[in-house]
Amino acid sequence: GEDVEQSLFLSVREGDSSVINCTYTDSSSTYLYWYKQEPGAGLQLLTYIFSNMDMKQDQRLTVLLNKKDKHLSLRIADTQTGDSAIYFCAETLPSSGSARQLTFGSGTQLTVLP
Amino acid sequence: DTAVSQTPKYLVTQMGNDKSIKCEQNLGHDTMYWYKQDSKKFLKIMFSYNNKELIINETVPNRFSPKSPDKAHLNLHINSLELGDSAVYFCASSSTSGRETQYFGPGTRLLVL
Repeated sequence: GEDVEQSLFLSVREGDSSVINCTYTDSSSTYLYWYKQEPGAGLQLLTYIFSNMDMKQDQRLTVLLNKKDKHLSLRIADTQTGDSAIYFCAETLPSSGSARQLTFGSGTQLTVLP
Repeated sequence: DTAVSQTPKYLVTQMGNDKSIKCEQNLGHDTMYWYKQDSKKFLKIMFSYNNKELIINETVPNRFSPKSPDKAHLNLHINSLELGDSAVYFCASSSTSGRETQYFGPGTRLLVL
């Protein structure tokens, strides 16, 4: 997605924190999402944040949103080998009729090293 | 108790054939979507249906035709398959009430030879 950008790769050591970053261009985004895709699997919704929030915490996951800079990040505390996957950030654009279109970033491949 | 299911999971076929992919959701959602993920993992919306009505129709070749017989099903028929159609196709669903979060199926891996 040219409107949503992510770095392609991130490697961390097991037990460290991972921070995956995302920038988006559409300031009218309402919700921003993080999805996880394990090899050969579908997309699993991890968490989301509404555009009027700055931060959301859900167990090991912390989402930070900087609306001024259009920057979204996902922090995974105590990263485990099972966290190795591709992480996609996505924004919802203003609805087209009654459906909301998701625009995805290119995905960040997270590799957790033992 | 699968939420969004797709069949088949894998599809290998020859160029020029016609094939269909089926999607079903049991979440009671009223909106369903088809996305295409290419070899570089890039995901792009193709179609969206709300209550059996086509809402989003991105720039997709006419060879792709979605059909929604009811709110719980959205099928994708592809005519005259081409090599470039090889990809993973994901179905998703959401509800127009609430956050409209989209939930995805496991994907159909299509390989055109």
